[in-house]
Amino acid sequence: QITLKESGPTLVKPTQTLTLTCTFSGLSLSTSGVGVGWIRQPPGKALEWVALIYWNDDKHYSPSLKSRLTITKDTSKNQVVLSMTNMDPVDTATYYCAYRPGVAVGGANYFDPWGQGTLVTVSS
Amino acid sequence: EIVLTQSPATLSLSPGERATLSCRASQSVSRYLAWYQQKPGQAPRLLIYDASNRATGIPARFSGSGSGTDFTLNISSLEPEDFAVYYCHQRGNWPLTFGQGTKLEIK
Repeated sequence: QITLKESGPTLVKPTQTLTLTCTFSGLSLSTSGVGVGWIRQPPGKALEWVALIYWNDDKHYSPSLKSRLTITKDTSKNQVVLSMTNMDPVDTATYYCAYRPGVAVGGANYFDPWGQGTLVTVSS
Repeated sequence: EIVLTQSPATLSLSPGERATLSCRASQSVSRYLAWYQQKPGQAPRLLIYDASNRATGIPARFSGSGSGTDFTLNISSLEPEDFAVYYCHQRGNWPLTFGQGTKLEIK
């Protein structure tokens, strides 16, 4: 069974850097074809893809957020870390991490499953 | 960036009725489109991938169709647990994008 869980601060101040950790089990980010991504959702609004990292350290970012983002992986700890600089109140959202299995591991390159999400509020 | 436009924004139906949700892409995504269901306070759940394939454990009343720019999610006979928000999502081009959602509510 694959599970993912997000952790990090629930409240950050404007201009601060947000660091979120996704800790997972049941999958290995050293396996060919495996990816872990971040998706966010402002309260009452739609989903927005943020970033994605693959087993081979290939990284993809949302163009609108790219200058502020860094995604890294720690295979030994089964973790993916997302950093977002210069936080603003518009970044208030629930942040989800999700598994993205490729064809090589029997998946279809879509996010499934997702973690429970963590609500991050940006406010002074 | 590929924009996914979902319609209608809200769909009001009764249990037992058939639901038809639409997702239109601003350019072709081939068949690289998925549908997710999200209930209040929960993470999204994958229903359909590559336009028409049901994900593991998804009931047969859910079906997807389409290719290119026009896609449809059908729910043949609504169960009470189907009332939720549905999102389409494309992986055909970077950046990955989601639609704005269709809320399926009880009439």
